[in-house]
Amino acid sequence: EAQVTQNPRYLITVTGKKLTVTCSQNMNHEYMSWYRQDPGLGLRQIYYSMNVEVTDKGDVPEGYKVSRKEKRNFPLILESPSPNQTSLYFCASSSLIRSGDTQYFGPGTRLTVL
Amino acid sequence: RKEVEQDPGPFNVPEGATVAFNCTYSNSASQSFFWYRQDCRKEPKLLMSVYSSGNEDGRFTAQLNRASQYISLLIRDSKLSDSATYLCVVKPSGYSTLTFGKGTMLLVSP
Repeated sequence: EAQVTQNPRYLITVTGKKLTVTCSQNMNHEYMSWYRQDPGLGLRQIYYSMNVEVTDKGDVPEGYKVSRKEKRNFPLILESPSPNQTSLYFCASSSLIRSGDTQYFGPGTRLTVL
Repeated sequence: RKEVEQDPGPFNVPEGATVAFNCTYSNSASQSFFWYRQDCRKEPKLLMSVYSSGNEDGRFTAQLNRASQYISLLIRDSKLSDSATYLCVVKPSGYSTLTFGKGTMLLVSP
């Protein structure tokens, strides 16, 4: 089954404690992206990657890091989480070969930073 | 001007009603257009792509007006299960990222 998976699905942590949210896709997609979704603000892109070892900032990259060492994985790293990073996070992927292809989303990670 | 604008709603309609959502976009170079559906606290899922000639999928019809830079979604014979937030999504060019509207909430009541 074609899918995007994220782990963990729910996480409560404290300010300053480094965490990683994993994202994996099994569709051999070149493009992967991280979004956060907050009430009244919609989906905002954090980082994206066009291929292995190629990453770029989205609209709200501050406080986040990503890496793309393998095509299927795109982890999101919060080195020192703060309460304003409490949010619902989605990973997504799509094909770049089929330029009209849309994005497939993971199930989301609900993060609370105390 | 916001890149993709939608009326946030909510739109409250009875079962069986016809409801229409509009969305405007600011980038005239946009090439691909989509409607996504998002249930509460779930991931967005593709509802349908929007083609220049307009397209229909069952009770759902999408239209694109490039000259006026707006996209519409028409839902006929609304079902309770149609209650969700509908996101208008624009892709400026072939290899660029998606731009999402903030969504329009639909509530269908018995």
